[in-house]
Amino acid sequence: EAGVAQSPRYKIIEKRQSVAFWCNPISGHATLYWYQQILGQGPKLLIQFQNNGVVDDSQLPKDRFSAERLKGVDSTLKIQPAKLEDSAVYLCASSLDPDRWQPQHFGDGTRLSIL
Amino acid sequence: DAKTTQPTSMDCAEGRAANLPCNHSTISGNEYVYWYRQIHSQGPQYIIHGLKNNETNEMASLIITEDRKSSTLILPHATLRDTAVYYCIVRGTNAGKSTFGDGTTLTVKP
Repeated sequence: EAGVAQSPRYKIIEKRQSVAFWCNPISGHATLYWYQQILGQGPKLLIQFQNNGVVDDSQLPKDRFSAERLKGVDSTLKIQPAKLEDSAVYLCASSLDPDRWQPQHFGDGTRLSIL
Repeated sequence: DAKTTQPTSMDCAEGRAANLPCNHSTISGNEYVYWYRQIHSQGPQYIIHGLKNNETNEMASLIITEDRKSSTLILPHATLRDTAVYYCIVRGTNAGKSTFGDGTTLTVKP
């Protein structure tokens, strides 16, 4: 089966600019996650969707980050305006049915560099 | 969700078994233990998960202690391609929520 697709693979912007990342989960996966991974650290959950509803966004900096999952399939994560500390890899993951303890499957991420 | 503790780094000789420990002393009765690994410039890759019993698949074996407070991931015959960061995660009752630590960097040496 096709894996989790993310684009772009790399993005370089200046601080205070805006940026958007796109994720297409594995077909049929109800749950979608966005993680932020700073160099040398493990991934940190930003937001979790179950179909098109938000399950957990407690660690999403809502003053600058937003995410949506229209129609319960693809998702976009936006940062506006970007700060230097937002430089990181943004990972998208999906799982079939986490209530049945299905594992998460990750994309290869978008590497964001803020100048 | 229960937190996990892993050594920062480990080395292993190629062809030998790699045993990666994880401590999860505050794990709850319905929480599973998951292992992922992340090779440079890629997203984390699922390896294996378990609740109580030991588990084995084509990639690895998972040994969970009887009190479930710790576990060990075993790569039976490590290869250079197994060099990666290995994450041990405990998933709680909030469906799908996983807290990643900083993992163990495993270096397989020739």
